[in-house]
Amino acid sequence: DGGITQSPKYLFRKEGQNVTLSCEQNLNHDAMYWYRQDPGQGLRLIYYSQIVNDFQKGDIAEGYSVSREKKESFPLTVTSAQKNPTAFYLCASKGYALEAFFGQGTRLTVV
Amino acid sequence: EDQVTQSPEALRLQEGESSSLNCSYTVSGLRGLFWYRQDPGKGPEFLFTLYSAGEEKEKERLKATLTKKESFLHITAPKPEDSATYLCAVQALKNRDDKIIFGKGTRLHILP
Repeated sequence: DGGITQSPKYLFRKEGQNVTLSCEQNLNHDAMYWYRQDPGQGLRLIYYSQIVNDFQKGDIAEGYSVSREKKESFPLTVTSAQKNPTAFYLCASKGYALEAFFGQGTRLTVV
Repeated sequence: EDQVTQSPEALRLQEGESSSLNCSYTVSGLRGLFWYRQDPGKGPEFLFTLYSAGEEKEKERLKATLTKKESFLHITAPKPEDSATYLCAVQALKNRDDKIIFGKGTRLHILP
């Protein structure tokens, strides 16, 4: 089945540790996105990539890093520099149509 | 700066009571406006794309409309299963930039 897969669904990490969230898509989409969602809030853009080996910072990129070595994959690393990393992280991808499609999210809890 | 504002933040309706959600936007040229539905703990589900003022799209009990400054999501005779957060997003006409900006959403609760 075509879609966007985020893993894991739940992730727990100790404060000060880097953690990488996985996002894979088999839709042959060029553009991919990472958003962060806090309780009662909308989606805030962290990073996006329009093509392999290229990506742009969104509105809240500080404390995060990404890579886009393959069209299918856009992993997000939450570094120890991110002050409030506990959140719901959503990955999306977009093809020739304007609309983006989302994965089911990863809930990260830092203790 | 591109911006999306949704109102109200939350809305409680009785089953069958029709209403509208608002999405106001400011962008330097609109490439597309999107509506999504999000259930708790899930990723947003795409509903509609609107491209130009005057356009309307319908799906079951939902109808989305677009003007030059705002969009409305009309919900006709809602059912409890329509309860969700509805998100609005925009993409601007900027050198083919694929950036998509979201509003904070409207939490809709339909009472049986």
